[in-house]
Amino acid sequence: DTGVSQDPRHKITKRGQNVTFRCDPISEHNRLYWYRQTLGQGPEFLTYFQNEAQLEKSRLLSDRFSAERPKGSFSTLEIQRTEQGDSAMYLCASSTELNTEAFFGQGTRLTVV
Amino acid sequence: QKEVEQNSGPLSVPEGAIASLNCTYSDRVSQSFFWYRQYSGKSPELIMSIYSNGDKEDGRFTAQLNKASQYVSLLIRDSQPSDSATYLCAVPYNQGGKLIFGQGTELSVKP
Repeated sequence: DTGVSQDPRHKITKRGQNVTFRCDPISEHNRLYWYRQTLGQGPEFLTYFQNEAQLEKSRLLSDRFSAERPKGSFSTLEIQRTEQGDSAMYLCASSTELNTEAFFGQGTRLTVV
Repeated sequence: QKEVEQNSGPLSVPEGAIASLNCTYSDRVSQSFFWYRQYSGKSPELIMSIYSNGDKEDGRFTAQLNKASQYVSLLIRDSQPSDSATYLCAVPYNQGGKLIFGQGTELSVKP
């Protein structure tokens, strides 16, 4: 059984460009979460899905961020018109509905230059 | 008031000592509590879950929960240099799925 998988591991982009990250959860997990983490801080919740439904989205998430999980399996997180403040580690996690123990992928480190 | 609070550290202990990491939370109805370990540059790894008042032991790790005081701690016995990492406390928000994390406590175990 593979754990949560994220791609790419690292992304360097120029300010103003769009980026898309992918997350493949643990296969039997129906919940998928996106978090963002900056240096010295704990992960900050962005959004989560239960199957294909996006159940919650953080108020901190601007309109430039969008996430999808079209078939209830993998998910994508897109950031449009990236800004330097978007530089962070983007973490994906998954869990079952009955057990909130969440397991994280390796993360995608985004650097906006 | 932050929803989950931890001392940021760094907490430095000598090899073989007991490291004690503390966390307080604000949501009185929280039922689940998690400790994650995060090595520098890596993602968080779940190391302990606790749901009931009292102690839960797993190897060298013991989680302690006191719901009345809204306090959860992690003890690491016989600390090893390989335990040097940031330890994150996490609590589900409003009994839902998303986790609220503390800022983490950096632990350094000196040989």
